[in-house]
Amino acid sequence: QSALTQPASVSGSPGQSITISCSGTSSDIVTFNYVSWYQQYPHKAPKLIIYDFNKRPSGVSNRFSGSKSANAASLTISGLQTDDEADYYCSSYVGRNKRVFGGGTTLTVL
Amino acid sequence: EVQLVESGGDLVQPGRSLRLSCAASGFSFDDHAMHWVRQVPGKGLEWLGGISWNSDVIAYADSVKGRFSISRDNAKNSVYLQVNSLTIEDTALYYCAKGEDGSPVTTLDSWGQGTLITVSS
Repeated sequence: QSALTQPASVSGSPGQSITISCSGTSSDIVTFNYVSWYQQYPHKAPKLIIYDFNKRPSGVSNRFSGSKSANAASLTISGLQTDDEADYYCSSYVGRNKRVFGGGTTLTVL
Repeated sequence: EVQLVESGGDLVQPGRSLRLSCAASGFSFDDHAMHWVRQVPGKGLEWLGGISWNSDVIAYADSVKGRFSISRDNAKNSVYLQVNSLTIEDTALYYCAKGEDGSPVTTLDSWGQGTLITVSS
C-alpha cells in the first residue's frame, strides 16, 4: 500500500489559517471514511486531533477541522498559534484491515 | 487515563530477533484493537500492523509481513510485536497505539512513548 501524499512543509503567521492536504487514491481516501490526523511535537508521541475526516476528540481545540474532497483530505488550522508548530500526519484505512500514513507535513509558525 | 508503556527495545546485531511489549492501563483493554507503528528518527510514521480485540483479525503492512508478528494477552493487558531477521533499516522508535474500538479498521486514538530498536553490527 502506498503512502498518502502530503506537502513537506507549510507555514503561516499567528492568527492566520492554513490548510494541509492529504492526497490518496480510490484504494484509500476515496473509498473509506476513516481518515485521521495526528499532531507530533519533536521527541513526543503523536496525538490524535481529527478522525473520520472531520471529528474532533474531546479536548482538541475547535481551531482544528478536517474535510474531504474528491480524492483528498484536508486539515485546516485557524487562528494559528505558536504552539501549533509541529509535524502533522494524515492516516487512512486502506481496506483488508490495513492503514497507511502520509509522509508528514512540518508546520512553521512565522 | 489511558497509559501505554512499550518495552523491549535494544541495540541488536543484524539478523537477530526481539520481542517488544506494550503494557496498557486506564481503559478496558479487551474492548479495543491495538496497533504497532514505527518511526525512523527524523522520518515519518509507518503503520506496521494491528490486532483486533479478540485476536481474530491480525493485519500487517506488506513491508513487514512474514517477518513481524503481533499477538496480545488480554489477561495481562498487553500486546506484543515479535520482530525477526532485523536489518539496519528496522532501526526506529516503535510505538504501540490503541484502537478506537475492537476493530483494526477504526482510528488509533492513543499512543505510547515508544521503545527504540537500534540495529547495528
